[in-house]
Amino acid sequence: NAGVTQTPKFRILKIGQSMTLQCTQDMNHNYMYWYRQDPGMGLKLIYYSVGAGITDKGEVPNGYNVSRSTTEDFPLRLELAAPSQTSVYFCASRRDDETQYFGPGTRLLVL
Amino acid sequence: AQSVTQLDSQVPVFEEAPVELRCNYSSSVSVYLFWYVQYPNQGLQLLLKYLSGSTLVKGINGFEAEFNKSQTSFHLRKPSVHISDTAEYFCAVTPSGSARQLTFGSGTQLTVLP
Repeated sequence: NAGVTQTPKFRILKIGQSMTLQCTQDMNHNYMYWYRQDPGMGLKLIYYSVGAGITDKGEVPNGYNVSRSTTEDFPLRLELAAPSQTSVYFCASRRDDETQYFGPGTRLLVL
Repeated sequence: AQSVTQLDSQVPVFEEAPVELRCNYSSSVSVYLFWYVQYPNQGLQLLLKYLSGSTLVKGINGFEAEFNKSQTSFHLRKPSVHISDTAEYFCAVTPSGSARQLTFGSGTQLTVLP
C-alpha cells in the first residue's frame, strides 16, 4: 500500500496561473479531504468528499474547486492563483475507525 | 461549530523529562478527539484518538491522553520524552455525527533538548 500520494511536491506559480494538485489513495476509503496549512497555523479544511461524485465545501473553499470521479482520486484545482494561496496543501483519506491518513503535502508558492 | 485551543505554542523540555501538551475544545455536540504529530517536512500521523469508553487513551510512541468532558480538555502526556519526539503536535476535534471534518488547533512545537 502506498497510502495517500500527492503530486507535485513543490510548485511555483505566477499570479493568475492555474494548476491541479493531484491526490490518490489506494485504501478504498470513501471519505477524502483537502487541507491547507499556513505557517504557525493548524490545518484548515478546503473541500471534502464522502464518495465518488459527492463533494462539499469546507472552511476555506474560495479560489478552489474539486472533483471526485473515482474512489481513488481527489484532485484540487486552483483557477486563478493569488499570493494568499501560498501554503502547504495536504490531502487525506479516512478509514472507518475515524483515522485520517495524510499525504506528504504539496508546497505551493504564488509570486 | 467546533473550536480547538492549544494553550502552548512552544514547549521546550529536557530529554527523559515528562511533558504535557494542553488542548481545550468547544462544541455544542458530542465529539471525537484526536492528537496528530507532524515531523519536519512530512504529513500528519495519528498519535491517538478518543471515540468513546475509557477516558484515558493510549497511543503510539508512549503517549497517552485523558478526555475530561467537564473541563472540555484532552491533554497529551508522555512520562519520559526522547530527542526523536521533537515535532509539531496538533489536537483536533470532529462532531461524532458528521462527515468527520477535522477542526485543528494551531499546534504545539515540542522541542526535546539533550
